[in-house]
This record gives sequence, structure tokens and C-alpha cells, in this order.
Amino acid sequence: NAGVTQTPKFRVLKTGQSMTLLCAQDMNHEYMYWYRQDPGMGLRLIHYSVGEGTTAKGEVPDGYNVSRLKKQNFLLGLESAAPSQTSVYFCASRPRVETSYEQYFGPGTRLTVT
Amino acid sequence: KQEVTQIPAALSVPEGENLVLNCSFTDSAIYNLQWFRQDPGKGLTSLLLIQSSQREQTSGRLNASLDKSSGRSTLYIAASQPGDSATYLCAVSRGTSYGKLTFGQGTILTVHP
Repeated sequence: NAGVTQTPKFRVLKTGQSMTLLCAQDMNHEYMYWYRQDPGMGLRLIHYSVGEGTTAKGEVPDGYNVSRLKKQNFLLGLESAAPSQTSVYFCASRPRVETSYEQYFGPGTRLTVT
Repeated sequence: KQEVTQIPAALSVPEGENLVLNCSFTDSAIYNLQWFRQDPGKGLTSLLLIQSSQREQTSGRLNASLDKSSGRSTLYIAASQPGDSATYLCAVSRGTSYGKLTFGQGTILTVHP
């Protein structure tokens, strides 16, 4: 049971380049989330999904797109990277059942945009 | 808009000391509050989750309390050890929010031998 995995672990992009971050979970969780973590800012929610084929905006969605074509995967895309998107990105998942509220986090992707 | 604040931002204590980390939130209509630990360069590990109907949760040397009416939670760590050194984050969610979390900025804890 790998839990929540993220690829890649590190990436350096030039301004204007595009990339996709992949999050995968093997716990059959319905809910999945993408957060970004910046120094002094805590974690902020980018987008989330409450099930396969659904996505919704979080607190800081601008410049990002997401897709959830399979229940176990949640992709985060940057179409035209900007230096302001330099951050550490975390994916998390959680079951839908209301008796299990705990979120499980992946190890993070450290992205630098130059 | 919910805002979560953690005080202090950093804390350095000698090994063996009992300590308290504080978390406050502006909107008392929360569904639950979660405390996480984050080691440098790593992801988040859940420590304790308190439902809005609960007052406290305990796990080993950790005890978390929740006072919804005052918008406060504390994480108490007993007999601190160097291995407790990490960043501690609290996060709250609302009942209709599909589990979306609002995080504080964290408290960086250093326990020195």
C-alpha cells in the first residue's frame, strides 16, 4: 500500500513552459486535493475533486488546470509557468464517508520556475 | 473567510520540557480540526483530528484540545524529545466544504538535547 504518491519530486521550468504533476492514490479515496506551500503562507488549496470526472476551484486556482479521469489519479497542469508558481505542491486524498475525515498527503513536488 | 493563526511561529526548548502550541481560527463554524507534523523536505503526517463535537484527543505524548466558542485549539507535547523537532501545522474544515482544509502558517519546533 503506497498511499499517496507524486511525480516528479523535483522540477525546474523556464517561464512559459508547461508541465503536468501527477498524483496517484491506492486507497480508493473519492476526494482528492492539490495544495501549494509557500514560505510564511502555510498550505493553500488550488483545486479539488470529489469524484472521478469532477473538479472544482479552491482558494488559488489561477494559472492551473486539473483533471480526474480515473479515480486513483489527479493531475495538476501548468499551461504557461510563471515565477510566482515556484512552490512546493502537495496532493492529498480522503474517503468520502463522513466517519473518516483524515486527509493523507503525498511527499510533495518542489517546482522552481526561472 | 476563515483565517487560521499559529503562535508562536518558532519555538526552541530543551529536551524533556512540556510545551504547548497554539492555533486560533476566526470562524467557529468548523467541522473538525486537524494537527499535522511536517519534517523538512517531507509531506504532512496527521497527528490528531478533533471533531467539532469533541473537546480533546490524545495520542501517546500528544494531547490536542478544542474550544470552538473561543476559536482556539492547543497541542500539548509532554516530555519533548529531539525527534519531536519539526513544523507543526493546524488546519480546519467546514461541514459543507468536502473536507477542504484551511491551514495555519505552522510552528517550527526545535528540541535540543
